[in-house]
Amino acid sequence: DTAVSQTPKYLVTQMGNDKSIKCEQNLGHDTMYWYKQDSKKFLKIMFSYNNKELIINETVPNRFSPKSPDKAHLNLHINSLELGDSAVYFCASSQAGGPNNEQFFGPGTRLTVL
Amino acid sequence: AQSVTQLGSHVSVSEGALVLLRCNYSSSVPPYLFWYVQYPNQGLQLLLKYTSAATLVKGINGFEAEFKKSETSFHLTKPSAHMSDAAEYFCAVRRYNFNKFYFGSGTKLNVKP
Repeated sequence: DTAVSQTPKYLVTQMGNDKSIKCEQNLGHDTMYWYKQDSKKFLKIMFSYNNKELIINETVPNRFSPKSPDKAHLNLHINSLELGDSAVYFCASSQAGGPNNEQFFGPGTRLTVL
Repeated sequence: AQSVTQLGSHVSVSEGALVLLRCNYSSSVPPYLFWYVQYPNQGLQLLLKYTSAATLVKGINGFEAEFKKSETSFHLTKPSAHMSDAAEYFCAVRRYNFNKFYFGSGTKLNVKP
């Protein structure tokens, strides 16, 4: 039973292409996130959705567009891919509110832009 | 604003030695604190979390952490390192009723035979 799943696991593409990454969680959480992890392992939050509503948008280029069709899914579409977009992208989910609701992470999608 | 500082991007210990990974936070109010572990080519997995119930928190795989408000610290320890502990460790902070988590820059733990 995978709690947070992402597809694809690996994505290799050419500069200028458009690609999407999908994320699904079966934990019943109401909040989902996208993180970018660079080659130095630094985790940077990109977006967060709560009940399909965008609540965090961290100075991410407009080429990145998240979409949440329902609270169990959060997809990430990237237009006009650039070399600097190469990274591992993690999806995560949590339950908003409460004192100690941790995030659950997906396995990551390794994006390589050539 | 919240921030998390992990001292030491790389820590190397011998198998069987004490593991100490440092985390300091800055917050105007006591936050909720977490330690995550990331094994190679995997996602992050929760090790333990501080919820204000007890200052000494025990987690999985023999790890524990102590919340020290006076030092604004939440250091992670394990009495005896095992080869399988080699991984990247992240400290994170979250304020109550806020959905945003702040992650430290990570500490890579190397365990020598």
